This record gives sequence, structure tokens and C-alpha cells, in this order.
Amino acid sequence: DIQMTQSPSSLSASVGDRVTITCRASQGIRNALGWFQQKPGKAPKRLIYSSSSLQSGVPSRFSGSGSGTDFTLTISSLQPEDFATYYCLQHNTYPWTFGQGTKVDIK
Amino acid sequence: QVHLVESGGGVVQPGKSLRVSCSASGFTFRSNGMHWVRQAPGKGLEYVAFISFDGTNKQYAESVRGRFTVSRDNSWDTLYLQMNIVRPEDTAVYYCAKGDHGYGMDVWGQGTTVTVSS
Repeated sequence: DIQMTQSPSSLSASVGDRVTITCRASQGIRNALGWFQQKPGKAPKRLIYSSSSLQSGVPSRFSGSGSGTDFTLTISSLQPEDFATYYCLQHNTYPWTFGQGTKVDIK
Repeated sequence: QVHLVESGGGVVQPGKSLRVSCSASGFTFRSNGMHWVRQAPGKGLEYVAFISFDGTNKQYAESVRGRFTVSRDNSWDTLYLQMNIVRPEDTAVYYCAKGDHGYGMDVWGQGTTVTVSS
């Protein structure tokens, strides 16, 4: 199975900060990577697909980049509603696999 | 509007069986692959299973292969996950998610909770 190593596992940030989360795949996955946001007690919500395509309705402060094995999710200016846990998902090879998650909380 | 509603969760004893369901609406169910994902209490997301639009291709995580079976009924727009020989580590919220034609998964249901305990 492809292993997805996500970092950091948690971070503290302030409103307005620029936040970067990374995912590294154990083998190349082209651009078959998505990013999800999950708030407590809720289902995950897709933010980014195909590494860098913004899901309809998602604010433009979210962006994704990368190809092959290294990927990044960036929040350009953190807003109060962005405090949540973020996961990457590779969908290049079955079984698909998630990163371990990054919890973003208030500094 | 795409809507997925899981049901069938509950408490089940170790070694027993349980079937959870996912009712779909708002899209052409028979045209989409579907997925199951689970989340143990306080833990991250774990991919469980996939079934192709016509049910001919199925994929499973190693942790459930041979015990869980994914199926679908396109006449009733419903996805199933048959869970056999359950273990305490299968305790989780089970989510169904709609496949996005080569772009991963897009819409998720709200989840159904399965607790394996004697």
C-alpha cells in the first residue's frame, strides 16, 4: 500500500497567518491527491482535488500544489472557520490511503 | 443536490455480523463508483472499500479484506457494507462517499456509528 506521511500532526496559528501542510507519498502518485477538512462531529469536506484544483464553493485562500510524491496545502490567511483537522488522500492506487491528519488550532 | 444517508449502525458483539447501508439521491447513482471510509474514535480517516459503478470491480483495505463485502443495488440507489467476523478495532463511524470519475471522492454522508463490544 502507498503510505502518505502528513506533517505536521498539529499546529497552532493565529487568524491571518499563512499555514502550510505537507503530504509525502511513499511512491509516485502523479497528481492524484485530494485535501479534506473535517470539523468535530462532522463529515469531511473536500477542498482540493487533482492536487491543485479548487472544489466549487471553497474560498480561494485555500490552494494546493505538488506532483509525484510531494504535495502542499496552503491557507493564505487563516480565518476563524478554518480551525479544523485536514487530511490528504491519494487516489492513484487501490487501496486509497489518507495521511494521518493535521489539527489546526488557535494560538 | 447530492445527498448520502448512512444507516444500520449499532452495537454488535465480536465475531458477529452487521450490515450498514447508504441511501443516495440527487445524482445518477448507477454511473458512479462508491466508497466506504471509517474513523475510529479520536483517530484519523481510514479507507475501507470501493465498488465500481456496475459492481464488477471491488477493492478493500488489508484490514478488512476477507471479512467485509461491499455491494450495491442500482435499482434502489443503495450502497451496502456487509461486515462479518467483526473485531473491537472495527469500532468506528462509517462514512459512504461518492466517487468522482477519476478525481477521488467528493461528497460524503454524515456517517453511521458501529460499536463492537461484548
